Amino acid sequence: AQTVTQSQPEMSVQEAETVTLSCTYDTSENNYYLFWYKQPPSRQMILVIRQEAYKQQNATENRFSVNFQKAAKSFSLKISDSQLGDTAMYFCAFVDSGAGSYQLTFGKGTKLSVIP
Amino acid sequence: DADVTQTPRNRITKTGKRIMLECSQTKGHDRMYWYRQDPGLGLRLIYYSFDVKDINKGEISDGYSVSRQAQAKFSLSLESAIPNQTALYFCATSDSVTGPYGYTFGSGTRLTVV
Repeated sequence: AQTVTQSQPEMSVQEAETVTLSCTYDTSENNYYLFWYKQPPSRQMILVIRQEAYKQQNATENRFSVNFQKAAKSFSLKISDSQLGDTAMYFCAFVDSGAGSYQLTFGKGTKLSVIP
Repeated sequence: DADVTQTPRNRITKTGKRIMLECSQTKGHDRMYWYRQDPGLGLRLIYYSFDVKDINKGEISDGYSVSRQAQAKFSLSLESAIPNQTALYFCATSDSVTGPYGYTFGSGTRLTVV
């Protein structure tokens, strides 16, 4: 069974600064996907960024980027130029691409507050 | 209209009552899921379904049942609600074509059991 660990229950960052959210995972699988989801107070689950395990290049989406270290089983999210709208819960998630069911395994989340 | 619609958005019910949460989708996806979110625990899988005839238990299925009435509809039932089932419930969909990239979540049902 896979596990996903987010070691930072809460974090805060000044507006316009950079913040990094940590995520580690444990799996015996070789083919998988990793995701970061954002959940604002509206409670909608919003996909922020995704990474395929077979790709060595780190994914980037505008101000969001990841540092994917496969050997270390680490998948951190960096948010640059933080904005007030980035205030939300952030969940790291794992899916085994070979399982077929595409069940997501989530971490417990990091509550990020962006301070004006 | 939303691709994945959950009803109701919020619900308060009494201990021991039977309650059904409904989910419908217009994505045409074959896979549907029910997740439960608790503060400090993240989201956990309750049940998932590959199609109308294929339903599978997830990590925390005890106390819940599901019904896949059609390709587009997947309901979650609490036969006798208890207070520790108070949580935010999400329905989600995916399919074999887009795989995990096609995951789509509903807007959630906040259930309170008193």
